[in-house]
Amino acid sequence: AQSVTQLDSQVPVFEEAPVELRCNYSSSVSVYLFWYVQYPNQGLQLLLKYLSGSTLVKGINGFEAEFNKSQTSFHLRKPSVHISDTAEYFCAVSDNGGYGNKLVFGAGTILRVKS
Amino acid sequence: DAGVIQSPRHEVTEMGQEVTLRCKPISGHDYLFWYRQTMMRGLELLIYFNNNVPIDDSGMPEDRFSAKMPNASFSTLKIQPSEPRDSAVYFCASSSHGDSYEQYFGPGTRLTVT
Repeated sequence: AQSVTQLDSQVPVFEEAPVELRCNYSSSVSVYLFWYVQYPNQGLQLLLKYLSGSTLVKGINGFEAEFNKSQTSFHLRKPSVHISDTAEYFCAVSDNGGYGNKLVFGAGTILRVKS
Repeated sequence: DAGVIQSPRHEVTEMGQEVTLRCKPISGHDYLFWYRQTMMRGLELLIYFNNNVPIDDSGMPEDRFSAKMPNASFSTLKIQPSEPRDSAVYFCASSSHGDSYEQYFGPGTRLTVT
């Protein structure tokens, strides 16, 4: 069974600084990987996804993530954060060889951007 | 596209009462998911449907919880009787088998049981 570990529960960072949110997964088969963002009092929305091909994936709002198969990681990065990036970020994995479109979510990382 | 629609957005009820949460998935999507989010347990998958048929309900916490999907455009999650520990935000999400597993989430229903 797949699992997802988000290594940091909270990440404080100053505005305009770079940030990396870490995600590791375990799976016995090839996977699809996702990052979702949840702003306060809202549902989750997709930031980016890795399906196949280039290991560097670009998403919305200037975020990108790199798939590293050997390290089973999918870390999310942004070179310069804004106050508006303050939110909770979830990494998720799906078994693309399985049935059901089911996603397994990590516990989430709260990004706090300070001025 | 209106996205996934959930109602009500907020629900406050007393312990022991029946609660029904509603979801309208995105038109054309054939998967529907119900999640619960709490501070203590994070985001939990309760149940999901494919073509209106429940596929996996192993996340449903107890018999007090039930979910139905009578047609492709409507699903309900019912709690009877409700308890204070059911207080949470409940999300509905939908996806299409041809859309690489991406799930689209509704805005959620914040349930408070007093």
